[in-house]
Amino acid sequence: DIQMTQSPSTLSASVGDRVTITCRASQSISTWLAWYQQKPGKAPKLLIYKASSLESGVPSRFSGSGSGTEFTLTIRSLQPDDFATYYCQQYDNYWTFGQGTKVEIK
Amino acid sequence: QLQLLESGPGLVKPSVTLSLTCTVSGDSISTGNYFWGWIRQPPGKGLEWIGSIHYSGTTYYNPSLKSRVTISVDTSKNQFSLKLSSVTAADTSVFYCARQPVEVVTPDVFDIWGQGTMVTVSS
Repeated sequence: DIQMTQSPSTLSASVGDRVTITCRASQSISTWLAWYQQKPGKAPKLLIYKASSLESGVPSRFSGSGSGTEFTLTIRSLQPDDFATYYCQQYDNYWTFGQGTKVEIK
Repeated sequence: QLQLLESGPGLVKPSVTLSLTCTVSGDSISTGNYFWGWIRQPPGKGLEWIGSIHYSGTTYYNPSLKSRVTISVDTSKNQFSLKLSSVTAADTSVFYCARQPVEVVTPDVFDIWGQGTMVTVSS
């Protein structure tokens, strides 16, 4: 099965910062990679699919890139609403999630 | 708009079969363009896909849970259901149902989620 590893596990940042989260797959998954945002007590929300496609309604400050085994989620200018936990998820072979990256206030 | 709502007991005893239902409103579960999935999240931990079903009955199960999982669909009620057998405390989780668009012939990402329901396994 395909393992997904995110780094860092926790990230401290300030409003306005550029934030980058990395996700690595244990084998090539082409661009079958999604990113989700989850806030405490809430369901995850789809942000990015197919590695770099922005889901409808998601602010353009979010962007994704990568292919094969290495992927990144970038938040161009962190906003107060963006403090949350972010998960990557592969869907090349079944569906597996990374362990999550918590973006907290510095 | 489309909404998904999980329902079921909040507390189950060890060794029994956990049963949950996801009711879909705002669209028909039989559109054919979607699979319908279950995902769980233990308290304070990450997300784990459990399984997915198409209204036609086609299913995909997480290999690590396959021996204990059954997912079924009831198109007349616009619902799909999860059964997880022989539960232990390790199965204590928030359970989410979610929609998966079909990419060619296989399910894709989880684009719409229910609010989740907490299930605790304890005697």
